[in-house]
Amino acid sequence: ILNVEQSPQSLHVQEGDSTNFTCSFPSSNFYALHWYRWETAKSPEALFVMTLNGDEKKKGRISATLNTKEGYSYLYIKGSQPEDSATYLCAFNYGQNFVFGPGTRLSVLP
Amino acid sequence: DAGVTQSPTHLIKTRGQQVTLRCSPKSGHDTVSWYQQALGQGPQFIFQYYEEEERQRGNFPDRFSGHQFPNYSSELNVNALLLGDSALYLCASRWEDSYGYTFGSGTRLTVV
Repeated sequence: ILNVEQSPQSLHVQEGDSTNFTCSFPSSNFYALHWYRWETAKSPEALFVMTLNGDEKKKGRISATLNTKEGYSYLYIKGSQPEDSATYLCAFNYGQNFVFGPGTRLSVLP
Repeated sequence: DAGVTQSPTHLIKTRGQQVTLRCSPKSGHDTVSWYQQALGQGPQFIFQYYEEEERQRGNFPDRFSGHQFPNYSSELNVNALLLGDSALYLCASRWEDSYGYTFGSGTRLTVV
């Protein structure tokens, strides 16, 4: 059974703080690693798809890195804003499908 | 262009009943996957449909079945509902040769 872990489970930060969280996944049979941002009552929104060891992706204040050899990815948010409050899901893509982590719930306090 | 559309958005059923959830994929997408998300957990893979056939299945009992139609839309059926089937059911679609999925906003099923 493939297991994808995310830490921390939840996080509260002040507006303006930078933060990061981790996704751990199996280092074998790697195809891609996805990050999704999921706001309450909305659909999960794709942030990044990462396929190569050493990949770094950036979208505005959010960036992600990938290490496929050791099986982890970091998501960074610089200067957190209240609108960043959401659950951040990572998904390990092997073959035809995904295994999702449990998510990290981020709350940014004004 | 509409994204992935799911119906209904909320549903309350009684234990033992049967339920059908519906999903219309994003235009141009031909692969549909269904996920169950229980409270406090990440989405769990139920099954995937491609070319009207179930291609892959997660660790769910036979009470969970599905269908994909020629227009790529899909249904998820759950028979003999249990209280533990209460969850958010997400549908996600993609084009077969692409990496990422587009998700619907889900159907919240409550079994009482």
